[in-house]
Amino acid sequence: GIQVEQSPPDLILQEGANSTLRCNFSDSVNNLQWFHQNPWGQLINLFYIPSGTKQNGRLSATTVATERYSLLYISSSQTTDSGVYFCAGNTGGSYIPTFGRGTSLIVHP
Amino acid sequence: DGGITQSPKYLFRKEGQNVTLSCEQNLNHDAMYWYRQDPGQGLRLIYYSQIVNDFQKGDIAEGYSVSREKKESFPLTVTSAQKNPTAFYLCASRSTGRRDIQYFGAGTRLSVL
Repeated sequence: GIQVEQSPPDLILQEGANSTLRCNFSDSVNNLQWFHQNPWGQLINLFYIPSGTKQNGRLSATTVATERYSLLYISSSQTTDSGVYFCAGNTGGSYIPTFGRGTSLIVHP
Repeated sequence: DGGITQSPKYLFRKEGQNVTLSCEQNLNHDAMYWYRQDPGQGLRLIYYSQIVNDFQKGDIAEGYSVSREKKESFPLTVTSAQKNPTAFYLCASRSTGRRDIQYFGAGTRLSVL
């Protein structure tokens, strides 16, 4: 199966700071998603982004499919952004997404 | 509201006991999944089902069983053979078609008494 590498593994920010999270894939993927796992454990869909760039408020994501990576940008971070961010994708005809190990983000007030 | 409902939120298991975690979706999705998450770790796939009456083992199926008798429902049983069941369990379903998107329930925390 494919390998999914997320970086950095941990990130601590002061409220208002910007950050970039990265996801590298060992093979071409489709159906790439970014999730935020809140402190209660729920995974919230952030972006479905197999290629290109999307924005949703303070969050945006860019996937460069030919180079097998995706970036998640968080601007003007808030304490409610704290949690773990996962990326996931699947290859070819597979119905099983492979998840990265996540980036744990703590935003201090 | 459309979504995935997992119950209960918290569950305690005694030694030697089987327990069943419920997962119901009203999104009309064919595919459903069960994941296990241990503290500070990523998600590991237990079982998945692409269609009613069919399911496949994931990476860590030992000690678990599932059924898929209805499209809406994909219950997970943690059997007594699972010696380390304490974990957070997440159920997901997946839309198919032009956009292949996975959605998650709120999870069930299982602990051993």
